[in-house]
Amino acid sequence: NAGVTQTPKFQVLKTGQSMTLQCAQDMNHEYMSWYRQDPGMGLRLIHYSVGAGITDQGEVPNGYNVSRSTTEDFPLRLLSAAPSQTSVYFCASSGQANYGYTFGSGTRLTVV
Amino acid sequence: DAKTTQPPSMDCAEGRAANLPCNHSTISGNEYVYWYRQIHSQGPQYIIHGLKNNETNEMASLIITEDRKSSTLILPHATLRDTAVYYCIVRGYNAGNNRKLIWGLGTSLAVNP
Repeated sequence: NAGVTQTPKFQVLKTGQSMTLQCAQDMNHEYMSWYRQDPGMGLRLIHYSVGAGITDQGEVPNGYNVSRSTTEDFPLRLLSAAPSQTSVYFCASSGQANYGYTFGSGTRLTVV
Repeated sequence: DAKTTQPPSMDCAEGRAANLPCNHSTISGNEYVYWYRQIHSQGPQYIIHGLKNNETNEMASLIITEDRKSSTLILPHATLRDTAVYYCIVRGYNAGNNRKLIWGLGTSLAVNP
């Protein structure tokens, strides 16, 4: 039981490049979310999913796309990276709407 | 949107109880209060949550006032490994009806030997 696995752990991108941050969970959780964490700010919700095939926007969705084709995976796509997207990204999952979330260890992304 | 207010930092002696306060005076009736902690640069770790009643688990206790405008997380016997940033958050929705958890900056708890 690995919990929530995020890859890669570190990434440097050039402005305009695209990439996908991977997130997988093996707990059969329906709810999954992506957050970003910036210095001096709390975590902010980017996108979330309440089940396979269902996604919705969070607080700061611009510049990011998600899909949920399986219960296990919830990738986050940056189509054209910008320096403002330099951040630490966390993926999280939960088994029920009001339960606590299990977080991954994060992806540290730098856009130059 | 309900917001939370926490002291930026607190100290606690090892072995003593750590009581972390949180103010959420604008919380609505159906919003839960959640507590997480983040050790160094790791991912946040869920601790406990509650709606109205006090809650206890193997990690901590959560005391919610009767008017639900504030709560206290209690770590009964703090250890050095409890040094972390503790976040009190509530669930809510922004103006666009987009679901979000409102995370503040949390309380940085230092447990001292």
